[in-house]
Amino acid sequence: GAGVSQSPSNKVTEKGKDVELRCDPISGHTALYWYRQSLGQGLEFLIYFQGNSAPDKSGLPSDRFSAERTGGSVSTLTIQRTQQEDSAVYLCASSLVEDSYGYTFGSGTRLTVV
Amino acid sequence: AQTVTQSQPEMSVQEAETVTLSCTYDTSESDYYLFWYKQPPSRQMILVIRQEAYKQQNATENRFSVNFQKAAKSFSLKISDSQLGDAAMYFCACVSNSGYALNFGKGTSLLVTP
Repeated sequence: GAGVSQSPSNKVTEKGKDVELRCDPISGHTALYWYRQSLGQGLEFLIYFQGNSAPDKSGLPSDRFSAERTGGSVSTLTIQRTQQEDSAVYLCASSLVEDSYGYTFGSGTRLTVV
Repeated sequence: AQTVTQSQPEMSVQEAETVTLSCTYDTSESDYYLFWYKQPPSRQMILVIRQEAYKQQNATENRFSVNFQKAAKSFSLKISDSQLGDAAMYFCACVSNSGYALNFGKGTSLLVTP
C-alpha cells in the first residue's frame, strides 16, 4: 500500500478482555516496529521484526503482550487480559532494511481500557 | 542506550516568525543518527529532518534546520517563517548506528498563532 495502515483506529475495551491490533506495512518493507505512546509521553519501543522473526522483544512490558508477523507483511499486536494502564496509542512503523532509519509510521490505534 | 530530553513541554510562535525547539541527548555511541518528527492530531509521525552524527554540517529541509552541537550533545530544531500548519507535537529522537529502535523525547507541543 501507499502507507502504513493500522486498524482499528480506535478501540474501547473492558478491563480483562483481549485485544488485537493490526499493522499493514508498506509493501516491500522488511523491517517493522511497534511503539506505545502513553498520554503526555514520548514513544516507547515495544518490538522489532525483521521479516517474520522478532530478534528484539525486549520492549514488551509484560507477558500479556505478544506480537507476530506473517508472510513478511501484516503484523498483529495482541494484549491479553487488558489493564487500564494499557490505555495508550499504539504506533506501527516500517522501513526498508537497507534504510533502517527511514521509518514510515502509521496513524496508530488509540486503545482505551475501561 | 540513549536518552533524549526535551525541556520545553510547550512553545508558542506567531505566524511568519521563527521558533527554536530544544533537544539534548545522551549516548555512549560514537556513531548515531538524530531525528525530529512532527505529530499532528492525525497521530501519524512525520519525519521532519535527520542528522548523521558524523556530519558536521547542520541538516536543513526548506524552512526547517537544526543546530547540531555534538560536544554538547544538543540538537535543536529551528522553524523559520512559521505557518499555521506547523502546529503539532514535535519529538526529538536518537538511534545508534548499530541499533534500530528509536529513542524518543517526551515531545514539545508547538502552538502557532495568527
